[in-house]
Amino acid sequence: EDKVVQSPLSLVVHEGDTVTLNCSYEVTNFRSLLWYKQEKKAPTFLFMLTSSGIEKKSGRLSSILDKKELFSILNITATQTGDSAIYLCAVEAGGGSQGNLIFGKGTKLSVKP
Amino acid sequence: DTAVSQTPKYLVTQMGNDKSIKCEQNLGHDTMYWYKQDSKKFLKIMFSYNNKELIINETVPNRFSPKSPDKAHLNLHINSLELGDSAVYFCASSARGAGNTIYFGEGSWLTVV
Repeated sequence: EDKVVQSPLSLVVHEGDTVTLNCSYEVTNFRSLLWYKQEKKAPTFLFMLTSSGIEKKSGRLSSILDKKELFSILNITATQTGDSAIYLCAVEAGGGSQGNLIFGKGTKLSVKP
Repeated sequence: DTAVSQTPKYLVTQMGNDKSIKCEQNLGHDTMYWYKQDSKKFLKIMFSYNNKELIINETVPNRFSPKSPDKAHLNLHINSLELGDSAVYFCASSARGAGNTIYFGEGSWLTVV
């Protein structure tokens, strides 16, 4: 059965800290891995990763994929209170013309002032 | 300008009622989805449609029925609502093909009393 596992499930840090969120997966026919940030509304897209070893960066956020070890990390440097959210990892997998998107349970990040 | 829009955003209804949630996307995407987010924030796919054809149908009760009048719309109809149906339902869409980013609507908060 395809699965995506995120760790930790929750994390509390102080502003200025650097955090690393983990996502491991076991899927059939991996296509891509995506990171989302969810606050009170819908998840907003952060990164899509398809190739190993290539870091994607957006401001203080960065992510990298290891297809050999089947995991990805999401790094956030110099955290701010606005980074508080649930971070979702999802893997697109499966055959056919359209894969299925399998979500992890998310990591709840709380950044304290 | 909203890419994926859902209505209503909030819905409170009694057990046994029938209700619909509408979804529209203006991105020109070929595939649309419905996800259910439970109280633990876990997102699970319910349905996806590609050119009016049901592609994925997870094990959801047949009280739930997706209806797609055209490529830009995918409505979710729920019959005989139960307390356990209370959740946030997200509509999403993506371009056809592997590895395309899925864009989410803002969610519809359904509460069954």
